[in-house]
Amino acid sequence: KAGVTQTPRYLIKTRGQQVTLSCSPISGHRSVSWYQQTPGQGLQFLFEYFSETQRNKGNFPGRFSGRQFSNSRSEMNVSTLELGDSALYLCASSLVGAATEAFFGQGTRLTVV
Amino acid sequence: QKEVEQDPGPLSVPEGAIVSLNCTYSNSAFQYFMWYRQYSRKGPELLMYTYSSGNKEDGRFTAQVDKSSKYISLFIRDSQPSDSATYLCAMRIYSSNTGKLIFGQGTTLQVKP
Repeated sequence: KAGVTQTPRYLIKTRGQQVTLSCSPISGHRSVSWYQQTPGQGLQFLFEYFSETQRNKGNFPGRFSGRQFSNSRSEMNVSTLELGDSALYLCASSLVGAATEAFFGQGTRLTVV
Repeated sequence: QKEVEQDPGPLSVPEGAIVSLNCTYSNSAFQYFMWYRQYSRKGPELLMYTYSSGNKEDGRFTAQVDKSSKYISLFIRDSQPSDSATYLCAMRIYSSNTGKLIFGQGTTLQVKP
């Protein structure tokens, strides 16, 4: 059974640019969440998508956005990149329901220069 | 005050030692508790998942939850150098409307041969 797949694995962008990251969840999983991981702040929740709808959002500026497609694949976009956006971006997928585990992908390491 | 507190370590132990990793939390609505292991430059890997007070064992790993004290622990018996990683506790509320996880800061563990 394939796990959560995130692409690309590494990205280097310049300040002011925008970036799109992709996540393919485990087959059958309809919930996809995104997290930002930095050494100082740890893992912080960005947003969650279920059935193509965003149902939860963390405390991040509007430059961070996402979407989910009908096949449950998800993308997140960061516009007007800042140096502080350098981080590991992780995607987690889970089954529908109140008591299900979340499985993570390998992440996309974004470096903003 | 953070919702989930975890001592970041680093924690260094000799091979074969029993390791105790701990998290405290403040939100009594948390019902589900997870432990993830994260190797350098990898995504978090789910180790244990519990939802009730008491102990849950899986091989060399035991997860313990004390909801009355808002305290969870992960014990690793007969620790191995391959256990060297960052261990993250994560929690969520009981709800079918969100898969949002709140993470501790992570504890870095080094097991010396």
